[in-house]
Amino acid sequence: GAGVSQTPSNKVTEKGKYVELRCDPISGHTALYWYRQSLGQGPEFLIYFQGTGAADDSGLPNDRFFAVRPEGSVSTLKIQRTERGDSAVYLCASSLRSGGAFNEQFFGPGTRLTVL
Amino acid sequence: GQQLNQSPQSMFIQEGEDVSMNCTSSSIFNTWLWYKQDPGEGPVLLIALYKAGELTSNGRLTAQFGITRKDSFLNISASIPSDVGIYFCAGQGGATNKLIFGTGTLLAVQP
Repeated sequence: GAGVSQTPSNKVTEKGKYVELRCDPISGHTALYWYRQSLGQGPEFLIYFQGTGAADDSGLPNDRFFAVRPEGSVSTLKIQRTERGDSAVYLCASSLRSGGAFNEQFFGPGTRLTVL
Repeated sequence: GQQLNQSPQSMFIQEGEDVSMNCTSSSIFNTWLWYKQDPGEGPVLLIALYKAGELTSNGRLTAQFGITRKDSFLNISASIPSDVGIYFCAGQGGATNKLIFGTGTLLAVQP
């Protein structure tokens, strides 16, 4: 079956612009995670959805970052007034559910965001 | 954000050699995971460890969950060229099961 897909694969924007990054999770997965990976680092947690609600947004760096998942499937990460420091690979992962027993998170290929 | 301490940062070895990398944390985790990431791809799960002291193998890979639940190691035996990539440890815990990743180990294998 299809894995996690992310679009676009690459996004180049100018400082101050608004961007949207999309994630299509594996069908039937109720849990969805966003991570950010800077060059030479491991992924860092941003936000987690269980269904439609953001159950944990403690990793969002500031109020320029926002994410939605209105129908409990596709999610969009939104970044306002982009800064050069926002340049990174944004990874999305989904799992069957969260909590309780271990549920493997399956990662998409990421969106590489470059802010000029 | 929090990242786990992973070492070594990079390794350059000959095909057929064994390698070992480890990861430490100041926090306790319920689950330790090891991932491999190829260029332009997301991390892929290699091994999951659920119990302190657990030793698990997956083919040429062997990993252990430390007794203190604050560390783990990954061994790769008889390395081959396709082992090239970046290896990450990750701790998982809490109600959301979010992952806390290590800083990564870059592995290069010379045929």
